[in-house]
Amino acid sequence: GDSVTQMEGPVTLSEEAFLTINCTYTATGYPSLFWYVQYPGEGLQLLLKATKADDKGSNKGFEATYRKETTSFHLEKGSVQVSDSAVYFCALSDRAGNQFYFGTGTSLTVIP
Amino acid sequence: ETGVTQTPRHLVMGMTNKKSLKCEQHLGHNAMYWYKQSAKKPLELMFVYSLEERVENNSVPSRFSPECPNSSHLFLHLHTLQPEDSALYLCASSQDKAGTGFSNEQFFGPGTRLTVL
Repeated sequence: GDSVTQMEGPVTLSEEAFLTINCTYTATGYPSLFWYVQYPGEGLQLLLKATKADDKGSNKGFEATYRKETTSFHLEKGSVQVSDSAVYFCALSDRAGNQFYFGTGTSLTVIP
Repeated sequence: ETGVTQTPRHLVMGMTNKKSLKCEQHLGHNAMYWYKQSAKKPLELMFVYSLEERVENNSVPSRFSPECPNSSHLFLHLHTLQPEDSALYLCASSQDKAGTGFSNEQFFGPGTRLTVL
């Protein structure tokens, strides 16, 4: 079945460091891919998305490119801030059955 | 209000109590979801409603009982819960459950933090 695998956390970075959180997926057909972020005490918020191969989603300095050849959707940010501390979830939506699959989440802590 | 709202935000209950969680979406969506988020575990999809009909029930114990009276409201009725049911319960909505060719992302509420004593 379809699934999402993302890197284990927690991840701790210094402010202004480069961030990569890896995400790979398994799916039949052509899923849509998402990154959600969950700040402490809150629900999940959509961070960015991509709906077809080679699409790049971007928001708030974060980027992820839909790579069909490597079945990946890695999240990157060039310079993280303390306010980026949160849990990040990779997800896919299978259009055929409209199932939504989430990764296990990666906790990011950015220290000043 | 806009988006997806959930009440209460925090709930403490004993194992013999009966309580209900409420979710309301103001986005005109047709599908609504209940998720359970426990510490150190993946997000668990509990129930899915599409056009007010339950279309998925992922082997959830009967002590959790969902209700969707209309496309804007979703309830989760709780009774005789166990301490291991303590978790963050998240509600979400999306435009439609059936695939329509667009990305169909889910919009989440802030969650209800449930503690069962």
